[in-house]
Amino acid sequence: GAVVSQHPSWVICKSGTSVKIECRSLDFQATTMFWYRQFPKQSLMLMATSNEGSKATYEQGVEKDKFLINHASLTLSTLTVTSAHPEDSSFYICSARGLDSQETQYFGPGTRLLVL
Amino acid sequence: GQNIDQPTEMTATEGAIVQINCTYQTSGFNGLFWYQQHAGEAPTFLSYNVLDGLEEKGRFSSFLSRSKGYSYLLLKELQMKDSASYLCAFMDSNYQLIWGAGTKLIIKP
Repeated sequence: GAVVSQHPSWVICKSGTSVKIECRSLDFQATTMFWYRQFPKQSLMLMATSNEGSKATYEQGVEKDKFLINHASLTLSTLTVTSAHPEDSSFYICSARGLDSQETQYFGPGTRLLVL
Repeated sequence: GQNIDQPTEMTATEGAIVQINCTYQTSGFNGLFWYQQHAGEAPTFLSYNVLDGLEEKGRFSSFLSRSKGYSYLLLKELQMKDSASYLCAFMDSNYQLIWGAGTKLIIKP
């Protein structure tokens, strides 16, 4: 149980384009989903927290107009990196916390983004 | 304020035992987590402690002392596949996870 998927697993795009990453909880309902970014050899950095049906809460320094988060259902959240630039290249990881497990976050496999 | 600290890197020998320590400071506490992260992969959940004491799960055990703001992850019978980063994180009063920087564990044959 507690499986989280992400799609795509990797993406290469040109500077200025937008990229959408999907995060799905496959066998549980995720009341809360989290989006993290991790640069090489660095720790996880929380970007935003989203609760189903409400606006995401962004961490300080994260541009909400650049990183659009939608959590339309209890099993799906999306992160859209708008007008991506090379400095946005990173490892993006989502995690989900469900109704039955109010504490534990389960992580998706991550999405590697490379912006050329 | 809040902070969390763990060693940057540790080295151990295959078949041995290693203990990775984690200390934290926070006014609100809702449990402590350990995650394993292999290079290039997302973290996977190892353990969750909310009460004092030792929780054993196969070769891995996790300990918590809330009064001391201290936890450790104990790995027994080390295998080469245990080479990874081990992340500790505590959950604060808002149910947000505050992450340590991770401990890179290197296993030598």
